[in-house]
Amino acid sequence: DVKVTQSSRYLVKRTGEKVFLECVQDMDHENMFWYRQDPGLGLRLIYFSYDVKMKEKGDIPEGYSVSREKKERFSLILESASTNQTSMYLCASRVRTSGGDIPYEQYFGPGTRLTVT
Amino acid sequence: AQKVTQAQTEISVVEKEDVTLDCVYETRDTTYYLFWYKQPPSGELVFLIRRNSFDEQNEISGRYSWNFQKSTSSFNFTITASQVVDSAVYFCALSEAEYQGAQKLVFGQGTRLTINP
Repeated sequence: DVKVTQSSRYLVKRTGEKVFLECVQDMDHENMFWYRQDPGLGLRLIYFSYDVKMKEKGDIPEGYSVSREKKERFSLILESASTNQTSMYLCASRVRTSGGDIPYEQYFGPGTRLTVT
Repeated sequence: AQKVTQAQTEISVVEKEDVTLDCVYETRDTTYYLFWYKQPPSGELVFLIRRNSFDEQNEISGRYSWNFQKSTSSFNFTITASQVVDSAVYFCALSEAEYQGAQKLVFGQGTRLTINP
């Protein structure tokens, strides 16, 4: 079974702190994604990585950065946490596809509920 | 731009009732994929189904069925004889064009389904 794990289920941080959210997958997937989930807004893509050291901005990258130094690990960084970053953060991974392939489903971790006070 | 709309924010039914979750999408692509995911209280999204734009056949899997209609840009999900274990948040998603082998998803707002005993 594919396993995507996230470092914490619940996290409480103070405004201005630097926050690291870690995600690890064990299926050698090339693609990894970070989303935030907010009521009424669904899941919104923050950043994704299509391979080691490769990253692309998603729809809402402001205030976030990412790191992918190893294939299995994808980190989301809040450089200076703010209250509007209080949210559920979900990590996902997926096998790479190429030109015309059927897209495989994404596998999700359990999420980290981050509260910034 | 790609967009997915799940107009039903919350649905509550009594066990054994049938329930339909609506999903309407917008895209200019001629080839695209639609997905449904389930998010139980544990938090991680679970893949339910993938459907490509060229296959409008309805699909049935046990108590679950999906109705895809390109004419109305809809991909609705029906649960027959609902059970308490079906209680979850359900997301509809649309694939975007591939970038470097990573196909991003655009998610709807989600529908929270509560099945009451």
